[in-house]
Amino acid sequence: GAVVSQHPSRVICKSGTSVKIECRSLDFQATTMFWYRQFPKQSLMLMATSNEGSKATYEQGVEKDKFLINHASLTLSTLTVTSAHPEDSSFYICSARDIPEAFFGQGTRLTVV
Amino acid sequence: GQNIDQPTEMTATEGAIVQINCTYQTSGFNGLFWYQQHAGEAPTFLSYNVLDGLEEKGRFSSFLSRSKGYSYLLLKELQMKDSASYLCAVRAYNDYKLSFGAGTTVTVRA
Repeated sequence: GAVVSQHPSRVICKSGTSVKIECRSLDFQATTMFWYRQFPKQSLMLMATSNEGSKATYEQGVEKDKFLINHASLTLSTLTVTSAHPEDSSFYICSARDIPEAFFGQGTRLTVV
Repeated sequence: GQNIDQPTEMTATEGAIVQINCTYQTSGFNGLFWYQQHAGEAPTFLSYNVLDGLEEKGRFSSFLSRSKGYSYLLLKELQMKDSASYLCAVRAYNDYKLSFGAGTTVTVRA
């Protein structure tokens, strides 16, 4: 199956700093990627749809100025958590659309201290 | 919007069979997916149904009834490594976003 690589897998940052997470499709071109957040023992909640060459589409309640998404190429989307706070600590997962299923990256465990 | 329901937890014995049900109410439908997720890891794809009926893949089978808004995932010959969370997800028509249920935690006991 298709491979999606997400980096880093784990990051600890200080409150107020920014963190960038990368999501790459390794063996296919992904015009659309998705970013999810998952809190402990909860399901995946879609944050935004990342579209190559255009602005991301954010789900209701997700602050676009806080979670910056850039999809500059057909194989790379980045999520930047700006001015991170402890409540942003979560598991962030990206996925890339392929037909028919979506393939997920390995996830990034973000801890804000 | 999407409303996807599945049981929170299930426990079964090694070698047994477990059926995880999923009901959904969606504004459109373009496929139902089942994913397995071990703690701290990303989900891995198990199955995909877009037409009514049963899809079998090794020890795992998935069933879909679009008219009833119902699916189940059947896990046969359970192994300890099958202990995980199983996520039901629906893709809306003309929209490739996936909406996930809360997940069913399956615990396999010896």
